Amino acid sequence: GIQVEQSPPDLILQEGANSTLRCNFSDSVNNLQWFHQNPWGQLINLFYIPSGTKQNGRLSATTVATERYSLLYISSSQTTDSGVYFCAWDTGRRALTFGSGTRLQVQP
Amino acid sequence: GAGVSQTPSNKVTEKGKYVELRCDPISGHTALYWYRQSLGQGPEFLIYFQGTGAADDSGLPNDRFFAVRPEGSVSTLKIQRTERGDSAVYLCASSTNKNTEAFFGQGTRLTVV
Repeated sequence: GIQVEQSPPDLILQEGANSTLRCNFSDSVNNLQWFHQNPWGQLINLFYIPSGTKQNGRLSATTVATERYSLLYISSSQTTDSGVYFCAWDTGRRALTFGSGTRLQVQP
Repeated sequence: GAGVSQTPSNKVTEKGKYVELRCDPISGHTALYWYRQSLGQGPEFLIYFQGTGAADDSGLPNDRFFAVRPEGSVSTLKIQRTERGDSAVYLCASSTNKNTEAFFGQGTRLTVV
């Protein structure tokens, strides 16, 4: 199956800092989503981004399908951004598969 | 409904018992997915429904796990002869069609004691 590397696995930021999270894929993917899992376990949709760039407030995402990676940018981080960030993809044949996640802690 | 709804939120059961977990997808979504998430891990795929039929059940760990979606809306995940290793958060998601944006419920935390 497709190998996916999600990095970094853990990240600690001071409030106000910026960060970039990355997913690398070993093969082409059909669709890609970024989720934030909050400390209560709820998976919150951030971006549905098979390709291109999208922005939503302090967050933006870019997927370069031809080069098999996706990036999630968090600017001016806040303590409420803490949690686990997952990229998830499908190949068209299978349902969404999740990466191992990036655990983000934003300190005041 | 406004979002994917899962009941119960928490379930504690004794080893060997039978449990049913319910998922009510977003209205009009034909695709429905079940996932299982263990502590510190990402969600793992269990089964996918398109309409009433299970289009892909390759993620079910063994024959103690079964899921149905008889009318193409609500789905029930059934676990027989529960084991302590079944303890996890069970997540349900739905989407308008396969391979479109999926939305997740809040999960059911199953604890087998």
